[in-house]
Amino acid sequence: AQSVTQLDSHVSVSEGTPVLLRCNYSSSYSPSLFWYVQHPNKGLQLLLKYTSAATLVKGINGFEAEFKKSETSFHLTKPSAHMSDAAEYFCVVSDRRGTNAGKSTFGDGTTLTVKP
Amino acid sequence: KAGVTQTPRYLIKTRGQQVTLSCSPISGHRSVSWYQQTPGQGLQFLFEYFSETQRNKGNFPGRFSGRQFSNSRSEMNVSTLELGDSALYLCASSLGTELRGYTFGSGTRLTVV
Repeated sequence: AQSVTQLDSHVSVSEGTPVLLRCNYSSSYSPSLFWYVQHPNKGLQLLLKYTSAATLVKGINGFEAEFKKSETSFHLTKPSAHMSDAAEYFCVVSDRRGTNAGKSTFGDGTTLTVKP
Repeated sequence: KAGVTQTPRYLIKTRGQQVTLSCSPISGHRSVSWYQQTPGQGLQFLFEYFSETQRNKGNFPGRFSGRQFSNSRSEMNVSTLELGDSALYLCASSLGTELRGYTFGSGTRLTVV
């Protein structure tokens, strides 16, 4: 079975300060992991993905995430927040094998607010 | 290359009516998935089509149905609309495996009155 937990429903940071959005996952097999961003009234945009290559994954807009198998985590970080980063962020897990192969499970989302 | 196109962008329907939403995936993508997004329930998976066959299905009543055509374009249909069906409906396409991630459309905002 696969599941994903985004540990914070809301995160608020000041512009220019670091961003940390936390995600823990559960997977019976080696998973693929993704982060998506959704701006208001828009579809989701893929930020980055982990598919068993390097454990530190760099994405668009300065975001990166580190896959930590021992902690079953895939936290999203950015060194310096920008006002345009304010959006909702979704962590997604997808099993590569087993009965859930090909299915993706979305987290409940984390709303990021950036204060000027 | 063109992205995922969903039409219409906005729709207002009356309870009891039916509605059809359309999704054109990225050229070459054979998988199309549909999601319902609401403030209360978040993002919920409806179904996925691959090469004209429904491959996965979420936990929605039979009023929600879909299909995929030979050119990979997909439609979803909701019959006997209820107020609770008001939502943003998102379509996502992929090559056929989610290992590379999805490309999402901008969604169709359905309001049932």
